[in-house]
Amino acid sequence: GEDVEQSLFLSVREGDSSVINCTYTDSSSTYLYWYKQEPGAGLQLLTYIFSNMDMKQDQRLTVLLNKKDKHLSLRIADTQTGDSAIYFCAEKGSGANNLFFGTGTRLTVIP
Amino acid sequence: DTGVSQDPRHKITKRGQNVTFRCDPISEHNRLYWYRQTLGQGPEFLTYFQNEAQLEKSRLLSDRFSAERPKGSFSTLEIQRTEQGDSAMYLCASSPRQVNTEAFFGQGTRLTVV
Repeated sequence: GEDVEQSLFLSVREGDSSVINCTYTDSSSTYLYWYKQEPGAGLQLLTYIFSNMDMKQDQRLTVLLNKKDKHLSLRIADTQTGDSAIYFCAEKGSGANNLFFGTGTRLTVIP
Repeated sequence: DTGVSQDPRHKITKRGQNVTFRCDPISEHNRLYWYRQTLGQGPEFLTYFQNEAQLEKSRLLSDRFSAERPKGSFSTLEIQRTEQGDSAMYLCASSPRQVNTEAFFGQGTRLTVV
């Protein structure tokens, strides 16, 4: 079955860049996603990338995809305290209707 | 339209009681999903509707769970004879397109079974 893995914790200083990594096993993944979850809240879609792309940039966010190694990363430039949250990587397999999520990475931004 | 709406936000119930949650998706989104999220984990897929048809159910959806979307708009998720292991955040999401690339989540219903 699918497996999506993320490291559990990341701490960065305000103003630095954050890089959150994710690995997945499903070779049929068509879309890969990054969601943000703040305490007690639902999930906010940040960005997603189609599997035939290797990079996508959206303002402070840069997504890199290495399909050969099944590795996805999210870089947040100029990290702010408001970026503190849990970040989930998720993938959608070919023909699948649902998303398969990792366990999330808790990002703490130190002022 | 302000997004996916879920009600209630919090529910505390005694073991053995039945509970029902409601989800109102974004208008005109024909796809609706239920997920469950336990503490420290990512969301896990429960079930999926396209319009009023329930097209997929995961193995996590035991016989005590039932979901409906009678008119293809709002959906309800009922849990009968709740158990402590049912304590979790129940998340609803909806998706606008045939290719269902993007799924937008509600704020969830946090269930605590005591």
